[in-house]
Amino acid sequence: AQSVTQLGSHVSVSEGALVLLRCNYSSSVPPYLFWYVQYPNQGLQLLLKYTSAATLVKGINGFEAEFKKSETSFHLTKPSAHMSDAAEYFCAVRNRDDKIIFGKGTRLHILP
Amino acid sequence: NAGVMQNPRHLVRRRGQEARLRCSPMKGHSHVYWYRQLPEEGLKFMVYLQKENIIDESGMPKERFSAEFPKEGPSILRIQQVVRGDSAAYFCASSLGPRDSHIRGYTFGSGTRLTVV
Repeated sequence: AQSVTQLGSHVSVSEGALVLLRCNYSSSVPPYLFWYVQYPNQGLQLLLKYTSAATLVKGINGFEAEFKKSETSFHLTKPSAHMSDAAEYFCAVRNRDDKIIFGKGTRLHILP
Repeated sequence: NAGVMQNPRHLVRRRGQEARLRCSPMKGHSHVYWYRQLPEEGLKFMVYLQKENIIDESGMPKERFSAEFPKEGPSILRIQQVVRGDSAAYFCASSLGPRDSHIRGYTFGSGTRLTVV
């Protein structure tokens, strides 16, 4: 069965620093992978998705993620953090039954 | 084109009462998914419905919880005889269907935050 593991439930970075949020997946078939962002008291918004077209995926708000099959990873990065990036980020994988399975989330804190 | 609409945004119920959560999918979407979010636990899948059909309810608790998506009207998640442990945020998402969801992901509503007192 497909699943994702997010390393680190909380990550803190300084404003302007690199953001790196880690996600590893488990899948017996080529996966469809997603990153979602959730701002306080809101629903989830799709940041980006991997659907096998390209290994480096660019999303909204300057985020991107790279699919690495050899490492079974799909880490999310942003070169320079902004205060408005403070939110919770979820890595997710679509399984064979058309369900999207989410990781436990990583809360990103931006330090001034 | 309104997105996925959930109401109410906040719901307070006393133990033993019933909670009814509503979800209107995006226009044209016929597939609805319900998730529950507890602090530090991420989103847990509950149920997947098409119009008038439950496709997958493997994440639904066996008792007190039910869901429907009638031909007309919103999808309803119903929790009978609520207990404190039901307090959580409940999110609804929709898609055009399997071929769409793996390309675009789901579109989520803003959630209903249920508090059981």
